[in-house]
Amino acid sequence: DARVTQTPRDKVTEMGQEVTMRCQPILGHNTVFWYRQTMMQGLELLAYFRNRAPLDDSGMPKDRFSAEMPDATLATLKIQPSEPRDSAVYFCASSGEETQYFGPGTRLLVL
Amino acid sequence: QKEVEQDPGPLSVPEGAIVSLNCTYSNSAFQYFMWYRQYSRKGPELLMYTYSSGNKEDGRFTAQVDKSSKYISLFIRDSQPSDSATYLCAISEGGRRALTFGSGTRLQVQP
Repeated sequence: DARVTQTPRDKVTEMGQEVTMRCQPILGHNTVFWYRQTMMQGLELLAYFRNRAPLDDSGMPKDRFSAEMPDATLATLKIQPSEPRDSAVYFCASSGEETQYFGPGTRLLVL
Repeated sequence: QKEVEQDPGPLSVPEGAIVSLNCTYSNSAFQYFMWYRQYSRKGPELLMYTYSSGNKEDGRFTAQVDKSSKYISLFIRDSQPSDSATYLCAISEGGRRALTFGSGTRLQVQP
């Protein structure tokens, strides 16, 4: 049963700390997305990659967020320094054709 | 105005009822239309996917797209308590492109 995996599932940290979230896309999927979900804004795109190259990161605050794909089996999203307003659920999704499959999310709380 | 509008609900129906969920959108370039189901503290799960206009049926679920009206619908027949979740419409300009989500409609099916 192919699925997207994300770690950690939950993260509590203090303001100013670095946060790293990891995603393993479905094997063979060459497009990976990062979304953020909050009560106020809903699900919003942060960035996405195709064949490990960034295609769009316009939704990401550039001064503190960075996204990379070191290899085809790993995507990372880093926040440095973290702020309370970054508290949200961060989802990774992967796509091989037209549809996207989501991971379980990383629930981040920044105190 | 948001690109995709969706009534947040909540929508409460008795078991066995037919449920109608809807979204409107503003960008005529959208070509791919999806419905996701999200249970509490879980990632969105792809339910239905439609390309361009028309209907698509899968078991108790029917998705409709009317591009002339920029209106999409999801119908659930014989609703079950297990259908209680948040339903998100998601739209894209192309395959493997980023999704624009509606705010989600929270559905409660009463036994």
